[in-house]
Amino acid sequence: SQTIHQWPATLVQPVGSPLSLECTVEGTSNPNLYWYRQAAGRGLQLLFYSVGIGQISSEVPQNLSASRPQDRQFILSSKKLLLSDSGFYLCAWSGSGGGDFGPGTRLTVT
Amino acid sequence: GESVGLHLPTLSVQEGDNSIINCAYSNSASDYFIWYKQESGKGPQFIIDIRSNMDKRQGQRVTVLLNKTVKHLSLQIAATQPGDSAVYFCAETGDWTNFGNEKLTFGTGTRLTIIP
Repeated sequence: SQTIHQWPATLVQPVGSPLSLECTVEGTSNPNLYWYRQAAGRGLQLLFYSVGIGQISSEVPQNLSASRPQDRQFILSSKKLLLSDSGFYLCAWSGSGGGDFGPGTRLTVT
Repeated sequence: GESVGLHLPTLSVQEGDNSIINCAYSNSASDYFIWYKQESGKGPQFIIDIRSNMDKRQGQRVTVLLNKTVKHLSLQIAATQPGDSAVYFCAETGDWTNFGNEKLTFGTGTRLTIIP
């Protein structure tokens, strides 16, 4: 069965500091990978989408970037965090066998 | 369609009653649909799925109905319990046989509150 891991679970970072969130998937190969952000009480906003290693589509202009160095690894980064980057970040996969979300990372930028 | 972080529509249901959560999709070529449940502070969890060659699929206390004519998907939860309070998302993708290459598109979500 497929499992998706995401870390850290919570993160508090000062404005202007860098960010790196990591997501890995097990039990499937060549998945589509996604990064979503969810503000409190709101729906999911797709940030990045990847169909393969090194292939990243950005859905909205922002202060963030994504990379996929390995087939089942997806990283969300920022060089300098803004207050508006605070939120709940979710990694997800889809592919053979279905799709699922990671547990999420709650990011607070202070 | 694609969620853009809008405020979630809400639905309140008395405990023990049945609830119906609706989702409209725009892509007539969508072939595979999934419902997710997201509890507070957690990531969405898979509930039930359905392929476009089916109209109905049942799970434990949940039923998904698909109306391809009007591009409408619904999730029915029977005999609701307090633990059913959550946000529910529908998701769609284009081609089940090519699922690995199709982007999964999520609806805005609906917040379901079960009233004791």
